[in-house]
Amino acid sequence: GQQVMQIPQYQHVQEGEDFTTYCNSSTTLSNIQWYKQRPGGHPVFLIQLVKSGEVKKQKRLTFQFGEAKKNSSLHITATQTTDVGTYFCGGRASGGSYIPTFGRGTSLIVHP
Amino acid sequence: DTAVSQTPKYLVTQMGNDKSIKCEQNLGHDTMYWYKQDSKKFLKIMFSYNNKELIINETVPNRFSPKSPDKAHLNLHINSLELGDSAVYFCASSQGRGYYEQYFGPGTRLTVT
Repeated sequence: GQQVMQIPQYQHVQEGEDFTTYCNSSTTLSNIQWYKQRPGGHPVFLIQLVKSGEVKKQKRLTFQFGEAKKNSSLHITATQTTDVGTYFCGGRASGGSYIPTFGRGTSLIVHP
Repeated sequence: DTAVSQTPKYLVTQMGNDKSIKCEQNLGHDTMYWYKQDSKKFLKIMFSYNNKELIINETVPNRFSPKSPDKAHLNLHINSLELGDSAVYFCASSQGRGYYEQYFGPGTRLTVT
């Protein structure tokens, strides 16, 4: 079945440093979604990427979808303590179920 | 107004008991989901329900059963609870299937002793 791998599992950074998490799928994806879960909270939708090579920005966050639509990344510039949380990617296999398969998430810890 | 709500927020129970978790969404969405998040934060889809069509993750034990009295509600029933069922259970909804974002409820932390 479809597998979505996410690395790293954890990342510690000093406030102001950059952060990147990577998402890799074993199959070609129709789309990929990114969610953020604050400690003790629930996942909250950040963005969706659909097109090959697509890049979207939200303030300090940059999301990319690979040309082959099998990988994606989330990059945060100049992290802040408010960025703390776990970032999940979820992708749907092309021609597969409409339900996304989530990666195991990357937990970001920002030290002030 | 809370978009997706779940009750209870916390549930502590003993092995062998039967329990239910309720979920309601007021977004007018057509699709609802149940996820299990274990201690390592892995979000595992359990069920998806859309317009009376139920899609079940084949790895979910049949002790778990979803029940949808109407489009706005998707409840989760668990029979004969086991220690390994301890986790946070999230309900979610989306406008439709496929290219729609999911809205998650606040979660129900289930502890089986």
